[in-house]
Amino acid sequence: AQTVTQSQPEMSVQEAETVTLSCTYDTSESDYYLFWYKQPPSRQMILVIRQEAYKQQNATENRFSVNFQKAAKSFSLKISDSQLGDAAMYFCAYRSARRGSGSRLTFGEGTQLTVNP
Amino acid sequence: KAGVTQTPRYLIKTRGQQVTLSCSPISGHRSVSWYQQTPGQGLQFLFEYFSETQRNKGNFPGRFSGRQFSNSRSEMNVSTLELGDSALYLCASSPEGLRQLWAANEKLFFGSGTQLSVL
Repeated sequence: AQTVTQSQPEMSVQEAETVTLSCTYDTSESDYYLFWYKQPPSRQMILVIRQEAYKQQNATENRFSVNFQKAAKSFSLKISDSQLGDAAMYFCAYRSARRGSGSRLTFGEGTQLTVNP
Repeated sequence: KAGVTQTPRYLIKTRGQQVTLSCSPISGHRSVSWYQQTPGQGLQFLFEYFSETQRNKGNFPGRFSGRQFSNSRSEMNVSTLELGDSALYLCASSPEGLRQLWAANEKLFFGSGTQLSVL
């Protein structure tokens, strides 16, 4: 079974600064997807960024980028130029790419990000 | 395009009762999955439906069940409610379809959830 670990329950950052959220995972599979989701107080889970394991290039979405280290099973999220609207709970998630495995996500415990003005 | 819609937003029940939650996926999405979110256990996978068939099931007791209709709308039911069932129940839909399209369709889109309180 796969596991996802986020070792930082809480993080804080000053507005306009950069912050990195950590995530490690454990799997015996070679093909999978990794995601970062954001959950603001509205409770809706919003996809921030995704990474395909077969791609060596790190994914980037505007101010959000990842550092994907497949051998180390590490998947960190970097938020640049932090904004007040980035304050939320961030979840790292794993999805198998094995055929027939469906769309099941395994989530980490979450990191609560506070952005200070 | 409308997002994933979950109803109701809030629900209060007493122990022993049963409850049904509803989820309408994004139009065209055939995969619907359910998650339970609690402060203690975090986000846990309940089950997934694809084209009216349960494809995956998490490690929850048989009191938790679900179904999917021909229009892809899904319901989950919890019978004989316990205090520990108090949680936010999230539904997600995915455009997953044919195998050759899968690589582009692995994203899940979530609703805002149903907050269930069991008294």
